[in-house]
Amino acid sequence: DAKTTQPPSMDCAEGRAANLPCNHSTISGNEYVYWYRQIHSQGPQYIIHGLKNNETNEMASLIITEDRKSSTLILPHATLRDTAVYYCIVHAGGTSYGKLTFGQGTILTVHP
Amino acid sequence: NAGVTQTPKFRVLKTGQSMTLLCAQDMNHEYMYWYRQDPGMGLRLIHYSVGEGTTAKGEVPDGYNVSRLKKQNFLLGLESAAPSQTSVYFCASSKRRGWGEQFFGPGTRLTVL
Repeated sequence: DAKTTQPPSMDCAEGRAANLPCNHSTISGNEYVYWYRQIHSQGPQYIIHGLKNNETNEMASLIITEDRKSSTLILPHATLRDTAVYYCIVHAGGTSYGKLTFGQGTILTVHP
Repeated sequence: NAGVTQTPKFRVLKTGQSMTLLCAQDMNHEYMYWYRQDPGMGLRLIHYSVGEGTTAKGEVPDGYNVSRLKKQNFLLGLESAAPSQTSVYFCASSKRRGWGEQFFGPGTRLTVL
């Protein structure tokens, strides 16, 4: 699976949009971009994933650049409960059977 | 649905003792995984299973064994615990398709003295 690069930490004001970037310049054509988050001491939580089109669900939006070398996770109205470590993961299907590779992630702190 | 549950939540072992961590899921998922997470690090895959009766090694399998006798359960065993196995252990499961979307349990915090 391709390697990802994320900033180690970011801050955001409550109620504002949080935009978390991820660089995955070596991504292959069959690899998806997944986002997870981990709130302190809890198990990781799936947020969203996409291949090349932008995606939106009830939690967040995912914007993938046209060349697929980077993406941005958007939390439209951040709350204090969104404070967590956010992981960007690229993952292929086939025989990898869900072997997600979690890097260091981005620590997002939402301030009142 | 309870989702993914893990037993126990906390455990303290002495070096050389053995124990089994139990993971159970009620979503009828085919795939199950065991990860460990050490301070300041991301999760690392220990073992995984693509169906009942099957298991496979992940990134850091040494010192652990697993079994998947029933589809809903995935057991992680430590035969002779070592201090290096002090960690937080997470179990996860996923559907046969869309295996990148994994559902995680709350974790087991294990300390080996």
